[in-house]
Amino acid sequence: EPEVTQTPSHQVTQMGQEVILRCVPISNHLYFYWYRQILGQKVEFLVSFYNNEISEKSEIFDDQFSVERPDGSNFTLKIRSTKLEDSAMYFCASSEVGDTNGYTFGSGTRLTVV
Amino acid sequence: RKEVEQDPGPFNVPEGATVAFNCTYSNSASQSFFWYRQDCRKEPKLLMSVYSSGNEDGRFTAQLNRASQYISLLIRDSKLSDSATYLCVVTLQGRRALTFGSGTRLQVQP
Repeated sequence: EPEVTQTPSHQVTQMGQEVILRCVPISNHLYFYWYRQILGQKVEFLVSFYNNEISEKSEIFDDQFSVERPDGSNFTLKIRSTKLEDSAMYFCASSEVGDTNGYTFGSGTRLTVV
Repeated sequence: RKEVEQDPGPFNVPEGATVAFNCTYSNSASQSFFWYRQDCRKEPKLLMSVYSSGNEDGRFTAQLNRASQYISLLIRDSKLSDSATYLCVVTLQGRRALTFGSGTRLQVQP
């Protein structure tokens, strides 16, 4: 079964540092997403990306965040100048065009900011 | 008011029991509805979509009441492997972003 792959599985970073979380979506999917889940809280939408541009973003996704598809397979989330409250599980997901039923989530990157 | 509201539980039930979860959503423009399952510290996984006519997948039955803005999930003949957090999820018309509830935790006991 096709998978969304995320690396690393766990990242520890110092407050104020930049981090890049990496994802390899399913190859024939065209929509890509980032979600986050702070420990003990609900899963929250950050951003969706289609046709090399952001198609939707939440109010959480401020100037501190950016996304990029640097090549034909990777999809990255960059967090500039991390804060303690950025500590969370970050999930990447992908889906086919026109099919919200078809979301596949990666297993997540646990980001710990110290 | 929360966009998607669920009873956090936990629901502790014996194996073989029938258990029902409810969910309400606040935005009448919500278009698509789902139940996801999340195991501890793992990614959400789609359990089933929810349609106005109601739908069933094995031991799982989902119902949608648009007038009351209410979604339900019924699990029959609970198995130990059903222990997880069940997430109610909606999307707004024309949008792809998923809005998650906080989840209802189910613990099935032997």
